[in-house]
Amino acid sequence: GEDVEQSLFLSVREGDSSVINCTYTDSSSTYLYWYKQEPGAGLQLLTYIFSNMDMKQDQRLTVLLNKKDKHLSLRIADTQTGDSAIYFCAEEDNQGGKLIFGQGTELSVKP
Amino acid sequence: KAGVTQTPRYLIKTRGQQVTLSCSPISGHRSVSWYQQTPGQGLQFLFEYFSETQRNKGNFPGRFSGRQFSNSRSEMNVSTLELGDSALYLCASSLDQGETQYFGPGTRLLVL
Repeated sequence: GEDVEQSLFLSVREGDSSVINCTYTDSSSTYLYWYKQEPGAGLQLLTYIFSNMDMKQDQRLTVLLNKKDKHLSLRIADTQTGDSAIYFCAEEDNQGGKLIFGQGTELSVKP
Repeated sequence: KAGVTQTPRYLIKTRGQQVTLSCSPISGHRSVSWYQQTPGQGLQFLFEYFSETQRNKGNFPGRFSGRQFSNSRSEMNVSTLELGDSALYLCASSLDQGETQYFGPGTRLLVL
């Protein structure tokens, strides 16, 4: 079945770049998503990438997609303490309406 | 445009009771999906509704049910609550399947 895997923790220094990685299994996914969750809050859509793209840049965020290896990454440039949160990657199930999430990567940014 | 709203934000119930959670989607969005988030299982899909019809369902027992109204607002109901139902319940809306889902702030349910 479909599965999405992420590493659980990442710690960086303020001002450094953060790279959060994700692998997925469903090659039919049209879009792949990155969401951010702060403590006690819902999920905030950060960005998404269409499956026929290799890269998408959106201000400090860069998404790289390697379809052959089913690998997705999110790079955050100039990471700030306000970026500390849990980051989820997600793919859409081929039946539609259902997102399959990774376990989430907890990003800790140290001043 | 207002975002997805969920009510109530917090809820405490006891085992055996039932609960109803409400979700109002972004204006113009007709698809509403529900997810359960727990520390152990992560984010799991419950069901998706479009035009008052359930189109997709996750692997949850029949105690979990939902519905959607003609104005696209959705409710989910959990009957005979168990301790393990304690979770953050998230609702997301989108224009349709395959479109980006936008999430509400969630309802945090604690079952004692």
